[in-house]
Amino acid sequence: QQPVQSPQAVILREGEDAVINCSSSKALYSVHWYRQKHGEAPVFLMILLKGGEQKGHEKISASFNEKKQQSSLYLTASQLSYSGTYFCGTETLKAAGNKLTFGGGTRVLVKP
Amino acid sequence: DGGITQSPKYLFRKEGQNVTLSCEQNLNHDAMYWYRQDPGQGLRLIYYSQIVNDFQKGDIAEGYSVSREKKESFPLTVTSAQKNPTAFYLCATQQGAGTGELFFGEGSRLTVL
Repeated sequence: QQPVQSPQAVILREGEDAVINCSSSKALYSVHWYRQKHGEAPVFLMILLKGGEQKGHEKISASFNEKKQQSSLYLTASQLSYSGTYFCGTETLKAAGNKLTFGGGTRVLVKP
Repeated sequence: DGGITQSPKYLFRKEGQNVTLSCEQNLNHDAMYWYRQDPGQGLRLIYYSQIVNDFQKGDIAEGYSVSREKKESFPLTVTSAQKNPTAFYLCATQQGAGTGELFFGEGSRLTVL
């Protein structure tokens, strides 16, 4: 089952902050975050393992609350290069191995 | 250079025809995935393979078939049974069979005329 992302879209001015949320109905082992520019393949940003850790990539950071089965991606002091569609991918523990299921994406547009 | 090669980049097909999309990797990664992306939408898992000669259905496997005869290759066949095959198809690899970063190919855009 796909994780649910919110909001579906967000428009920012350069330098503003934004939060993207990712929620799952299943217990999670890990959460991945990727960014996709138009017409390109998704690019890995970070992965969070269960344990509530927080990670960062430039001024983009994320948290993972395994009890709530949620992850949030924080875009801080956004730059024009942050524009794109952000996807969370979730892994649940399975005996046969993990598979990664993606959310519907959040479109981010950063304006000058 | 190490990487993932998908071909063809663009493909047009007539209704009723089967087509095969190629995905080759030289990263020596164990796991390989096929995702479908429709305009403005997320990535939906078609099939995945953790090891050679083994693969599992994803969330939207109907109308698709795969094989994993070699570690480097994971071709996807879009059959005539797939009712709405026009989409962007992405192949991805993962180093181990467990958790880790996904590496994506450049994608193949299939259009059914």
